[in-house]
Amino acid sequence: DAGVIQSPRHEVTEMGQEVTLRCKPISGHDYLFWYRQTMMRGLELLIYFNNNVPIDDSGMPEDRFSAKMPNASFSTLKIQPSEPRDSAVYFCASSLGGPSYQPQHFGDGTRLSIL
Amino acid sequence: AQSVTQPDIHITVSEGASLELRCNYSYGATPYLFWYVQSPGQGLQLLLKYFSGDTLVQGIKGFEAEFKRSQSSFNLRKPSVHWSDAAEYFCAVEASGGSYIPTFGRGTSLIVHP
Repeated sequence: DAGVIQSPRHEVTEMGQEVTLRCKPISGHDYLFWYRQTMMRGLELLIYFNNNVPIDDSGMPEDRFSAKMPNASFSTLKIQPSEPRDSAVYFCASSLGGPSYQPQHFGDGTRLSIL
Repeated sequence: AQSVTQPDIHITVSEGASLELRCNYSYGATPYLFWYVQSPGQGLQLLLKYFSGDTLVQGIKGFEAEFKRSQSSFNLRKPSVHWSDAAEYFCAVEASGGSYIPTFGRGTSLIVHP
């Protein structure tokens, strides 16, 4: 069974540019999470979806950040415009809720560097 | 709301030595508890989980953890550490009954000396 797939693995861009991170969750999982990991702040939950619907986006740092989940197999996290302080590793994770609950499975992350 | 504390930022052990990583949680009832491992350049991988029942749980890679309600702890142990165990370890707590939203600790970095 394929795990959570994130792309790209690395992204280097100049400040002011739009950045789009992509995630394919595990098939059948109904929860999808976006995290940001930095040395200073550790692992932060940005937003999560249940059945493609955003449930809690209180962790999204600013209006420059937006996330969508147009269908059960794809999600994007967009930063526009990007700033150097957005540099971090961004993880996507998915899980199965309900009586067949399964803990979160993480992708390998996207390492984002904003110059 | 639940919270989790990993009091050790770094732990250094010699290869072959035993290991214990500490995790304390705050939650009003018995939570769901997890340990994840993160190797460099990779995402978090689930080592083991506790939902209910036997308080000593076995995980992958030879790890085990013990839930102690009286101490609000869920410490991770391994009897003999291998160099490949060097990684970042995260404890996580989740409200029981299915919130599906874990709270992660800040992590403990394990360094293994040959």
